[in-house]
Amino acid sequence: DIQMTQSPSSLSASVGDRVTITCRASQSISSYLNWYQQKPGKAPKLLIYAASSLQSGVPSRFSGSGSGTDFTLTISSLQPEDFATYYCQQSYSTLYSFGQGTKLEIK
Amino acid sequence: EVQLVQSGAEVKKPGESLKISCKGSGYSFTSYWIGWVRQMPGKGLEWMGIIYPGDSDTRYSPSFQGQVTISADKSISTAYLQWSSLKASDTAMYYCARPRGDLTGNWYFDLWGRGTLVTVSS
Repeated sequence: DIQMTQSPSSLSASVGDRVTITCRASQSISSYLNWYQQKPGKAPKLLIYAASSLQSGVPSRFSGSGSGTDFTLTISSLQPEDFATYYCQQSYSTLYSFGQGTKLEIK
Repeated sequence: EVQLVQSGAEVKKPGESLKISCKGSGYSFTSYWIGWVRQMPGKGLEWMGIIYPGDSDTRYSPSFQGQVTISADKSISTAYLQWSSLKASDTAMYYCARPRGDLTGNWYFDLWGRGTLVTVSS
């Protein structure tokens, strides 16, 4: 199985900050990496697919990068609605594993 | 509207059976896989398995193989997740989601149901 490890597990930041979340795969997954946002009581929402492609309708302050084993999700200027939990997910293996999540909280 | 509509919350006792559903609409149900994702209280997302309603090809995460059964009825555009004997540890929110492939071979979940909360308690 491919293990996905996110860091940090939680993060406090302020509106306007630039934030980066990291996801590391236990083996190379090329660019088969997606990012989701989940707010309390809601289903996850796709933000980024194929490591760096922005899903339609997602604000351009979200961006993704990386390939192989190391990936990042960056929010260029945090907005109040961005405080949520973020998950990475690999699709290199059809077991489609998720990272453990990064909870982004207001400082 | 393209959507996945899941069945309502369930409260069950340990040892009981359960089948929850996920109905797709607004797209060709038999042309896309449907997956199930578990989220235990206060925890992260766990991929359980997927089914292709067109031919019922099914894949399971090793963690869930033998613990649940995924099925689909293409005549009514509905996928199912079922348990034969529930345990307290099955208490969770269960989401269905549609995986979609892109030109690079990457697969991502672009459409999600709202979730079905399953509570197992004596």
